[in-house]
Amino acid sequence: QVQLVQSGAEVKKPGSSVKVSCKASGDTFNRYGINWVRQAPGQGLEWMGGIIPILGPVNYAPKFQGRLTITADESTSTAYMELRSLTSEDTAVYYCARDRIALDYWGQGTLVTVSS
Amino acid sequence: DIVMTQSPDSLAVSLGERATINCKSSQTVLYSSTNKNSLAWYQQRPGQPPKLLIYWASTRESGVPDRFSGSGSGTDFTLTISSLQAEDVAVYYCQQYYNTPNSFGQGTKLEIK
Repeated sequence: QVQLVQSGAEVKKPGSSVKVSCKASGDTFNRYGINWVRQAPGQGLEWMGGIIPILGPVNYAPKFQGRLTITADESTSTAYMELRSLTSEDTAVYYCARDRIALDYWGQGTLVTVSS
Repeated sequence: DIVMTQSPDSLAVSLGERATINCKSSQTVLYSSTNKNSLAWYQQRPGQPPKLLIYWASTRESGVPDRFSGSGSGTDFTLTISSLQAEDVAVYYCQQYYNTPNSFGQGTKLEIK
């Protein structure tokens, strides 16, 4: 049974950073990539980037280059998404998803609220 | 970057009737070497994460009812729900995974008429 379990909601100040975790069960880390997608309140889906844990390469959407870091810890089957220099525009639900051709399993989502 | 554009933005269909959602990409998402289109469809119900319905433009994900079907090639794609059920009320998104950055359409909100 594949499960992606994300860390809990966060409230951050503008200019700070947030790090969201995504723990995967099953053989996800041995075979597939993990992508991160966010959704601002009432808005659509936005692809942020992805990693293939066993291979290492990371792809980022140009919009986030320089302030987004995606990593993976194979020993704990956990992927991480760190976003820096937060503004109110980064208030959103952040999802991790398994990349098997398309995104077939999703985490429950983590609400990140950026507010002074 | 590939831009995905869905139409319509919203749609109201009677129960049991057909619903059709379109998705257009700004450039082809067809791999000529494999003849496969790197196009997926997702369903998102309120308060839930998206659910994969279709990949390779027309391959139904395991467990997805057969009233959902995908078609199209190159730059123009369609998601069809053959007989709308109440549980199909949701927002539907297309996504290209032909190259990075992967990109989603803006979404189509499907309601019951």
